[in-house]
Amino acid sequence: DGGITQSPKYLFRKEGQNVTLSCEQNLNHDAMYWYRQDPGQGLRLIYYSQIVNDFQKGDIAEGYSVSREKKESFPLTVTSAQKNPTAFYLCASSINLNGEQFFGPGTRLTVL
Amino acid sequence: KQEVTQIPAALSVPEGENLVLNCSFTDSAIYNLQWFRQDPGKGLTSLLLIQSSQREQTSGRLNASLDKSSGRSTLYIAASQPGDSATYLCATSGTYKYIFGTGTRLKVLA
Repeated sequence: DGGITQSPKYLFRKEGQNVTLSCEQNLNHDAMYWYRQDPGQGLRLIYYSQIVNDFQKGDIAEGYSVSREKKESFPLTVTSAQKNPTAFYLCASSINLNGEQFFGPGTRLTVL
Repeated sequence: KQEVTQIPAALSVPEGENLVLNCSFTDSAIYNLQWFRQDPGKGLTSLLLIQSSQREQTSGRLNASLDKSSGRSTLYIAASQPGDSATYLCATSGTYKYIFGTGTRLKVLA
């Protein structure tokens, strides 16, 4: 059963905490992405990775970090430097940059 | 800088009606245009991908067209059903990334 999984579905963060969101794909895609979705706004790109061991900042990378040590995994860490992290986070992958994108089910992060 | 606009932001139609959702973009230098569906609290589901060299794509009751010269794409939904109720987003791919519109929230009334 091919696809993209994200965990957890819901995540609560206290002030000053770092939290890590998981994204795994078994589609054998080279490219992976992280987006943030806020009410009334389109998806905004946080980071993307074209290939293993390579990643680039998107439009709103401040306060976030990523790694791409394995082709199938692209975890996102929301650091305490991100001042307004409450949002819906979506992970996506595509066979290459500009290829058809497929999305995971999302993680809703709430700051307490 | 690419900007993608979807109008209207929300739409309610009676069941069985054929409808058109609009997507406009400012930079015609795109690789692909992709239409997605998003249900509340869920991820995006890919509906149709139109490559820059194509004019349209069809899947079941859905037909998407692309006119790069005018910076427009339309998603046509035939014989709408209550199960079609969702938010529909379009996105263009450029140099290295996709730019998303804010979506059209569709409600099909039974």
